[in-house]
Amino acid sequence: EPEVTQTPSHQVTQMGQEVILRCVPISNHLYFYWYRQILGQKVEFLVSFYNNEISEKSEIFDDQFSVERPDGSNFTLKIRSTKLEDSAMYFCASSGPRQGNQPQHFGDGTRLSIL
Amino acid sequence: QKEVEQNSGPLSVPEGAIASLNCTYSDRGSQSFFWYRQYSGKSPELIMFIYSNGDKEDGRFTAQLNKASQYVSLLIRDSQPSDSATYLCAGVRNDKIIFGKGTRLHILP
Repeated sequence: EPEVTQTPSHQVTQMGQEVILRCVPISNHLYFYWYRQILGQKVEFLVSFYNNEISEKSEIFDDQFSVERPDGSNFTLKIRSTKLEDSAMYFCASSGPRQGNQPQHFGDGTRLSIL
Repeated sequence: QKEVEQNSGPLSVPEGAIASLNCTYSDRGSQSFFWYRQYSGKSPELIMFIYSNGDKEDGRFTAQLNKASQYVSLLIRDSQPSDSATYLCAGVRNDKIIFGKGTRLHILP
């Protein structure tokens, strides 16, 4: 069964540094998402992406964050000037190919640790 | 602030019994709802999705949606120890998804 793959599985970074989290969505999916889950807390929506642009974003997704689809397969989340509170699991998800409210399939996540 | 509310549990159910998980939501514009299962330290795994009022069945799982009451539920029949996990309810409006905090389910052998 097709999978969403995320790399790396664990990223350790010094506070203030930039990180890029990578995702390869399911190949025929057209809608892409990033979520985060701080340890012991709920899954929080960050951003959705379709047709090479952001379609929705949450209050969490401020200027510190950006997303990009640099080629036909990868979908990345960049976090600039990382802070201690950015430590969390970051999940990528994809859905499609039809438009609208399709179930999302999650990757295994990247555990981001900010020191 | 749009919210999805779930009882955090834990909900303890004997093996073989029916587990009933409930969720309420505040955004009447929510168009569909997902139930995910999340094992500790793992990513959410899709169990069911529903967008029409009524029941939807898939194997041992039944999702129920009542838009008038803004209520979603998940029934798990013949509960197994492997069903022990946190169950996440999520509501979708356009491309924005709001998750509840999840209900921890513990199946007692």
